[in-house]
Amino acid sequence: QKEVEQDPGPLSVPEGAIVSLNCTYSNSAFQYFMWYRQYSRKGPELLMYTYSSGNKEDGRFTAQVDKSSKYISLFIRDSQPSDSATYLCAMSDAGAQKLVFGQGTRLTINP
Amino acid sequence: GAVVSQHPSRVICKSGTSVKIECRSLDFQATTMFWYRQFPKQSLMLMATSNEGSKATYEQGVEKDKFLINHASLTLSTLTVTSAHPEDSSFYICSARDRPGRVRTDTQYFGPGTRLTVL
Repeated sequence: QKEVEQDPGPLSVPEGAIVSLNCTYSNSAFQYFMWYRQYSRKGPELLMYTYSSGNKEDGRFTAQVDKSSKYISLFIRDSQPSDSATYLCAMSDAGAQKLVFGQGTRLTINP
Repeated sequence: GAVVSQHPSRVICKSGTSVKIECRSLDFQATTMFWYRQFPKQSLMLMATSNEGSKATYEQGVEKDKFLINHASLTLSTLTVTSAHPEDSSFYICSARDRPGRVRTDTQYFGPGTRLTVL
């Protein structure tokens, strides 16, 4: 079993839809949770950063962390074609230098 | 803030040659830099962790003598692919971690990547 599981998709939704992306993990020591967005042939871009459990909102993006269920989510409201990219979840424990990545979900927003 | 650059963005070389890729943190000092490799439609595979002034720590299965990493300053790390072969063709991405004590010390900021093609 992988430490972090993420459905690779692909996921295709119409413009304006609410998108839900999810990751599950097995290591209860993880405390830092991140979502990265990666456009084709580009490096990942940090989108959201959350420490421990709870919600964090930034514009159209909301990140949720449920440590009791070992489950994290990223919601995208009013999705736009420019949101089409691969979304990677990543996490680490306190003091660890390395990030553990999910496989990435390929998302396409159709105009 | 937190910008990481890579150079070159794309390189094509002949089999047997060596290629050097630079990774720079432009607006912060990075005590730790990471080197990843990514194959098409796959996630990032960590190759090595590089701490300024010390030897890099390589992940299992990564050849130290083939992928030479140098982190000579707080803003620059280099990856040299020695005697490159076609199977080394890939997308190489670096990331940098900010110094302890700053916000988001466990966050990595990624460079734009370097696409290496070995003929």
